[in-house]
Amino acid sequence: EPEVTQTPSHQVTQMGQEVILRCVPISNHLYFYWYRQILGQKVEFLVSFYNNEISEKSEIFDDQFSVERPDGSNFTLKIRSTKLEDSAMYFCASSDLGRGRRAFFGQGTRLTVV
Amino acid sequence: QQQVKQSPQSLIVQKGGISIINCAYENTAFDYFPWYQQFPGKGPALLIAIRPDVSEKKEGRFTISFNKSAKQFSLHIMDSQPGDSATYFCAASRSNTGKLIFGQGTTLQVKP
Repeated sequence: EPEVTQTPSHQVTQMGQEVILRCVPISNHLYFYWYRQILGQKVEFLVSFYNNEISEKSEIFDDQFSVERPDGSNFTLKIRSTKLEDSAMYFCASSDLGRGRRAFFGQGTRLTVV
Repeated sequence: QQQVKQSPQSLIVQKGGISIINCAYENTAFDYFPWYQQFPGKGPALLIAIRPDVSEKKEGRFTISFNKSAKQFSLHIMDSQPGDSATYFCAASRSNTGKLIFGQGTTLQVKP
């Protein structure tokens, strides 16, 4: 079964450093998302991406965050200057049936900011 | 109005029993209600989903019951098994947005 792949599985970075989290969505999907989950809490929406542009973003997704689809297969989340509170599990998701429908999630990248 | 409230926070069920998790929403514009299952260290996996034009959907041992007037929906796991032990999240979204609003999650433990 096709799956969403995320790399790395765990990233440790120093506060103030830039990080790029990578995702390979399911190949025929057109809608892409990033969510995050702080340890023990619910999954929170960050941003949705369609047709090479952001279609919606949450208040969490401030100027420190950016997303890009640099080629036909990868989808990336960049955090320019990481803060301690950015420590969380970041999930990439993709869907085929339209906005939010049947979204498949990757296994996540655990980001630890020290 | 964007929130989805989920209960209980944790649930312990004996093997073979029925697990019931409830969610409530306020935004009547929501028109898609999925349930996700998450094992430790893994991403959420889509379990089952329902649209508001039906009151119930069943897939194997998993059933969603939907009450549009009460703005509530629930997940029933019949014949619960130890392998069902996981965290379950309900979610909701609108058709004009890709944003899934998740509930707080329910940690289910099925005892052998």
